[in-house]
Amino acid sequence: DVKVTQSSRYLVKRTGEKVFLECVQDMDHENMFWYRQDPGLGLRLIYFSYDVKMKEKGDIPEGYSVSREKKERFSLILESASTNQTSMYLCASTGGGRRTSGGAGFGPGTRLTVT
Amino acid sequence: QKEVEQNSGPLSVPEGAIASLNCTYSDRGSQSFFWYRQYSGKSPELIMFIYSNGDKEDGRFTAQLNKASQYVSLLIRDSQPSDSATYLCASIPGNQFYFGTGTSLTVIP
Repeated sequence: DVKVTQSSRYLVKRTGEKVFLECVQDMDHENMFWYRQDPGLGLRLIYFSYDVKMKEKGDIPEGYSVSREKKERFSLILESASTNQTSMYLCASTGGGRRTSGGAGFGPGTRLTVT
Repeated sequence: QKEVEQNSGPLSVPEGAIASLNCTYSDRGSQSFFWYRQYSGKSPELIMFIYSNGDKEDGRFTAQLNKASQYVSLLIRDSQPSDSATYLCASIPGNQFYFGTGTSLTVIP
């Protein structure tokens, strides 16, 4: 089974802080994804990466950036946290490179609160 | 139009009944479809995937795919209270997953 870990389960930050969320997978997967999940809105894709140093914007990239320096690690950065970024953040990974295959395995999620 | 649409429910069924969850997708190029189960406060877990037209069975779960109608469904037979969760449908039209907003299922003992 895919093991995806996230750096924190719960995080509380202040408005304007720079926030780093880290995700690590142990299955040598090419593809990694960052989603946020909000009630009534489902899972929304922020960014994804299909290879080291490669990244593509998802549906809601504004206010976020990402970094993928190593294959197993995908970081989400909130440059200047705002209250509307309070959410559950989920990382996922899957194999296949540009031709995604197989189901994505998810990390446990990080519940971020920005005050 | 969203890539994947689901009826958000909530759906309630009595214990032992069949629960039917439905999903439609808009991109005819989508080849792979997935059903995830998400318990409250937890992350989604993959329970079924289907690539070919027809039915695919795994224990009490059956996924059905109709590419002509762009329709995917999940049947849960002999529903149990432990099946109470939100079920997410997902497709891969390119190299990223698109998720529906999920259907909340409650199985009443």
